[in-house]
Amino acid sequence: KAGVTQTPRYLIKTRGQQVTLSCSPISGHRSVSWYQQTPGQGLQFLFEYFSETQRNKGNFPGRFSGRQFSNSRSEMNVSTLELGDSALYLCASSATGENNSPLHFGNGTRLTVT
Amino acid sequence: DQQVKQNSPSLSVQEGRISILNCDYTNSMFDYFLWYKKYPAEGPTFLISISSIKDKNEDGRFTVFLNKSAKHLSLHIVPSQPGDSAVYFCAAAGYGGGGNKLTFGTGTQLKVEL
Repeated sequence: KAGVTQTPRYLIKTRGQQVTLSCSPISGHRSVSWYQQTPGQGLQFLFEYFSETQRNKGNFPGRFSGRQFSNSRSEMNVSTLELGDSALYLCASSATGENNSPLHFGNGTRLTVT
Repeated sequence: DQQVKQNSPSLSVQEGRISILNCDYTNSMFDYFLWYKKYPAEGPTFLISISSIKDKNEDGRFTVFLNKSAKHLSLHIVPSQPGDSAVYFCAAAGYGGGGNKLTFGTGTQLKVEL
């Protein structure tokens, strides 16, 4: 079974630009979550989608948005990029999206904002 | 406010000995706890979890202990192996009627030396 696939692996953008990251979950998984990892901050929850609906949202500004398609694939968009948005963005999928259904992470997209 | 804390950023252990990684939490609504392991350039991998109705869960060399009154959990790895060298993240989830929203600690870098 293929794992969670994130594209691209690396991105370099300029302040003020916008970026879209893509995530393909494990086949059959309907829940997709996004996390931001920065040095010293651990992983911080961005949002979670289940059956194309956003079920949970973390404490990030509205510049961070996402969506999920009918095939469970998900995209995350960040508009008006700031230097502080430089981070590793991780996508994770789970079978049911319940707390006892472990997350399976992709290898992430490393975003650098200059 | 860091609701899940891993106060030791790093830990060094000799091969064959026990590794003990600690995690504290402040939110009494958390009722499910997980440990993830992360190698460089890879996404986190699920290791083991424990529900708040238990105080211990074992899986091979890995055991997680939960002390609800102290709001503390620990991961024991016995015996430690060089391949265990990685960053370990503690994560917590609250009863919320569905939806994966994990709160992660900042991680502990474990180094297992020969």
